[in-house]
Amino acid sequence: NAGVMQNPRHLVRRRGQEARLRCSPMKGHSHVYWYRQLPEEGLKFMVYLQKENIIDESGMPKERFSAEFPKEGPSILRIQQVVRGDSAAYFCASSPYQGAEYGYTFGSGTRLTVV
Amino acid sequence: EDKVVQSPLSLVVHEGDTVTLNCSYEVTNFRSLLWYKQEKKAPTFLFMLTSSGIEKKSGRLSSILDKKELSSILNITATQTGDSAIYLCAGPNDMRFGAGTRLTVKP
Repeated sequence: NAGVMQNPRHLVRRRGQEARLRCSPMKGHSHVYWYRQLPEEGLKFMVYLQKENIIDESGMPKERFSAEFPKEGPSILRIQQVVRGDSAAYFCASSPYQGAEYGYTFGSGTRLTVV
Repeated sequence: EDKVVQSPLSLVVHEGDTVTLNCSYEVTNFRSLLWYKQEKKAPTFLFMLTSSGIEKKSGRLSSILDKKELSSILNITATQTGDSAIYLCAGPNDMRFGAGTRLTVKP
């Protein structure tokens, strides 16, 4: 079991471009959470998804940001028309169900830099 | 929206000291609280607390939940430089984290 896989590890985009961040949960996990972390700050919840459903997107900006978790394939966090303020580390976590006994497993994150 | 508040935000100690980190929460339909440690990469799971008054231990780390006070503490005894990290707590109902406590252990 390879754990939670995020790619790319590092992503550089120019202002106005699109960024696509991928998260493959652990095998058997159908719940995915996305977080954003600015330097020297904590993890800010963005969105919670189950397969083919967005359960809670209250932490995600209403414009330019979207997330999906299709029946097949990884979960995708998409940021359109990136701006410098989007530069951050983006982490995803997965679990087999909500309230999993051993917590949630995090990926290593994608560090997005907008130049 | 559930609310999780951690204190202190930052703490500097010397090796061998004992530290206590605090997490208070306002969570509807509380089921459990999670503690994580984050170094320069992904957060790693430490503890999940569901029952009040029952201490969980892992080596020099221990944690306990007080449902009456809506809080939890994380204790680290005989700290080492390798304990330097950000310690995060979260309510798993919606997996929202507090701002974290940045612990620095000096040799």
